[in-house]
Amino acid sequence: SQKIEQNSEALNIQEGKTATLTCNYTNYSPAYLQWYRQDPGRGPVFLLLIRENEKEKRKERLKVTFDTTLKQSLFHITASQPADSATYLCAREGADGLTFGKGTHLIIQP
Amino acid sequence: ETGVTQSPTHLIKTRGQQVTLRCSSQSGHNTVSWYQQALGQGPQFIFQYYREEENGRGNFPPRFSGLQFPNYSSELNVNALELDDSALYLCASSLAGIVSGNTIYFGEGSWLTVV
Repeated sequence: SQKIEQNSEALNIQEGKTATLTCNYTNYSPAYLQWYRQDPGRGPVFLLLIRENEKEKRKERLKVTFDTTLKQSLFHITASQPADSATYLCAREGADGLTFGKGTHLIIQP
Repeated sequence: ETGVTQSPTHLIKTRGQQVTLRCSSQSGHNTVSWYQQALGQGPQFIFQYYREEENGRGNFPPRFSGLQFPNYSSELNVNALELDDSALYLCASSLAGIVSGNTIYFGEGSWLTVV
């Protein structure tokens, strides 16, 4: 079965810098990869979706890439702010619903 | 606000009991799915309903069951509760079925503690 792997260790970034989070998948390329933000005790909030045939997608300060050769998606937050501190989840959509990674806890330090 | 509401927000049950969790989908959404999220883990897919029919199921035992109603609201039922069932249960709604690429909206979840 396909796995989604994220570095679940906390990532500490200085305010104003670019935060880059990694999502790796096993086996075949999913048709879609999605990125969510989750705050403590809250449900995930959809951020971006990228299709297999798209290399890059942007939304305001967010950018997602999809590299089928490396079997990897990168999620970037530019000009990071303390309010960006949260857990970020990567997920692939399949016949068995969304398969999520464990999430990466991002901490933006002022 | 995602327009997906879940109830109750928190509850405590005893091992062996049964629980029903409820979800009201975003208006117009005909697909609802349920996820279990243990502490420190990503959400795990339980099952999905499309127009009142279950059309996808994750690796959960039959004591996890569900319903979707004509107004597309949904219930998750768990029988014979075990301690490991303690988790955040998330409901998500979307338009159209599986692998659609449509935006999926999550509710805030129901925290279940089994003692």
